[in-house]
Amino acid sequence: SQKIEQNSEALNIQEGKTATLTCNYTNYSPAYLQWYRQDPGRGPVFLLLIRENEKEKRKERLKVTFDTTLKQSLFHITASQPADSATYLCALGRRGGGADGLTFGKGTHLIIQP
Amino acid sequence: KAGVTQTPRYLIKTRGQQVTLSCSPISGHRSVSWYQQTPGQGLQFLFEYFSETQRNKGNFPGRFSGRQFSNSRSEMNVSTLELGDSALYLCASSTQQGGTEAFFGQGTRLTVV
Repeated sequence: SQKIEQNSEALNIQEGKTATLTCNYTNYSPAYLQWYRQDPGRGPVFLLLIRENEKEKRKERLKVTFDTTLKQSLFHITASQPADSATYLCALGRRGGGADGLTFGKGTHLIIQP
Repeated sequence: KAGVTQTPRYLIKTRGQQVTLSCSPISGHRSVSWYQQTPGQGLQFLFEYFSETQRNKGNFPGRFSGRQFSNSRSEMNVSTLELGDSALYLCASSTQQGGTEAFFGQGTRLTVV
């Protein structure tokens, strides 16, 4: 069955350092992968989308890589700030996209310590 | 542009009752999907509607149903509520199918007692 794994433990990073979150998947051939941020009691907020034929995407302090051979995506936040503390979710999508049947990982809780 | 609006925000129901949740997508968005989020299972896909047609359905029992209206607003219904249905129910809208970003609402927190 399809499986998406994200760091299940909370990730503690010192302010100013780069936070790297991992998303691994098995038994899935995604057309694209998305990263979302979720704060307590709120819905996820879209951050970045990367397609199967793309290796890397950047947006301001965010960078995502996608390796379909390793079946892995890495999500980086550079110059991290306490305001970056949240749960980060990766989601895989098939062709047909949008919110259509996205498969989510359980998320990684990131804590940026001042 | 107004975001995705879900009502109500909080709901407490008794086992055996039924509940209807509402979602108003962003204006112009025709795709609406519903997800259930629990601490143990994370976000799980319920179903997706596009132009009033159900396009995809997740692995949930028939007690979970939904519909979409001509103005793209969507409702989901859960009948014969069980304690395990307690969760945050999230609605997401997007412009169309095709790998676009999804915009989520704040969710409806359903508690079944």
